Amino acid sequence: QVQLVQSGAEVRRPGASVKVSCKTSGFMFTGYYMHWVRQAPGQGLEWMGWIDPNSGGTNYARKFQDRVTLTRETSTRTAYMELSRLRSDDRAVYYCAREVGGTVVFFDYWGQGTLVTVSS
Amino acid sequence: EVVMTQSPATLSVSPGERATLSCRASQFVSTNLAWYQQKPGQAPRLLIYGASTRATTIPARFSGSGSGTEFTLTISSLQSEDFAVYYCQQYNDWPPLTFGGGTKVEIK
Repeated sequence: QVQLVQSGAEVRRPGASVKVSCKTSGFMFTGYYMHWVRQAPGQGLEWMGWIDPNSGGTNYARKFQDRVTLTRETSTRTAYMELSRLRSDDRAVYYCAREVGGTVVFFDYWGQGTLVTVSS
Repeated sequence: EVVMTQSPATLSVSPGERATLSCRASQFVSTNLAWYQQKPGQAPRLLIYGASTRATTIPARFSGSGSGTEFTLTISSLQSEDFAVYYCQQYNDWPPLTFGGGTKVEIK
């Protein structure tokens, strides 16, 4: 069955970076774009960007363009999200989500989420 | 950027009753709209896509309607497991993909 398993909670200082992983199984990793969405405590969902695991091509939300890097490792079927220059308002749960594919862009499977806390 | 506005923010409903949730887009999104359900401590779950197509395993009591800028998610008879937060998401004009602020369905 399709599974997206994310790495555990992280705590970072302001100005530091964090890298979250999303290990997949149960489907062809290179066949589906992977997106990242975050959710601040008690808030809604915010799209960050996507990666094409086949080519490594990426597209980032303008808000995060200079701070986020999406990468993948096809041998381990894992996607990564790295966010740099962390601020206190980056405290959120970060999700990876599999895009259904084709011309439609919504998400049929999600990781369990990774809480990133930014605190001095 | 397409702004998605959901109303009401909170909906108090008794089990067995009908719940009607609204989602409005700031510009035309055709039927390129999805609905998700999120329970505390869990990831969102896809309910509806294409504005009205139920995702796999989603019960028939969930239905979606609308097109253009106005959309509705209806839960015909609320079950205990349906109390959650519901989000709409447009995928017609992106990046960025945008979500509504959510509607919390709580027990009355």
